[in-house]
Amino acid sequence: IAGITQAPTSQILAAGRRMTLRCTQDMRHNAMYWYRQDLGLGLRLIHYSNTAGTTGKGEVPDGYSVSRANTDDFPLTLASAVPSQTSVYFCASSRQGEDGELFFGEGSRLTVL
Amino acid sequence: GQNIDQPTEMTATEGAIVQINCTYQTSGFNGLFWYQQHAGEAPTFLSYNVLDGLEEKGRFSSFLSRSKGYSYLLLKELQMKDSASYLCAASDSNYQLIWGAGTKLIIKP
Repeated sequence: IAGITQAPTSQILAAGRRMTLRCTQDMRHNAMYWYRQDLGLGLRLIHYSNTAGTTGKGEVPDGYSVSRANTDDFPLTLASAVPSQTSVYFCASSRQGEDGELFFGEGSRLTVL
Repeated sequence: GQNIDQPTEMTATEGAIVQINCTYQTSGFNGLFWYQQHAGEAPTFLSYNVLDGLEEKGRFSSFLSRSKGYSYLLLKELQMKDSASYLCAASDSNYQLIWGAGTKLIIKP
């Protein structure tokens, strides 16, 4: 049982390039989330989806977009990467949007030069 | 505004007890969560409190006082593998989690 799978694990990217971080879960959870984690800061929510076909903006959505075409997949796209988007990105899921017990993927470390 | 405060770093000795405090201010409240995160790994769920009082789960216990906006995580019989960051998160009126920056716990032999 994989739980949540993220890809790539790490990536170095030139500024201005487009990048998609992939996230797939096999737990049939309704809600999915993208967070970024930066040193000295708490996890910050980028976007979320409470059910397939719907998405919402979190605390720091600018420069990012998401889609939720089905229950399992929740990709995060950086349309034109900037150095301030250098971070560790975590995808997570929960049974329902109201459920605070999150299951996290292993993270994607992104460096934008 | 919404805010979570917890100490940046704590040090404790193997076999001892340590208490990690967390204070929160949120718009509405739907529960307090603790997660453990080992270096370079993903956070994993430890505990959930929504009513006042102590919840015990093996060597770990979590306490909540809603009137004081305060929680703590108590770790007993510390082991070296408990060296990790401990993240406090409060669920607000919209069920969105507000996260603290985490407390790095260093265990010394």
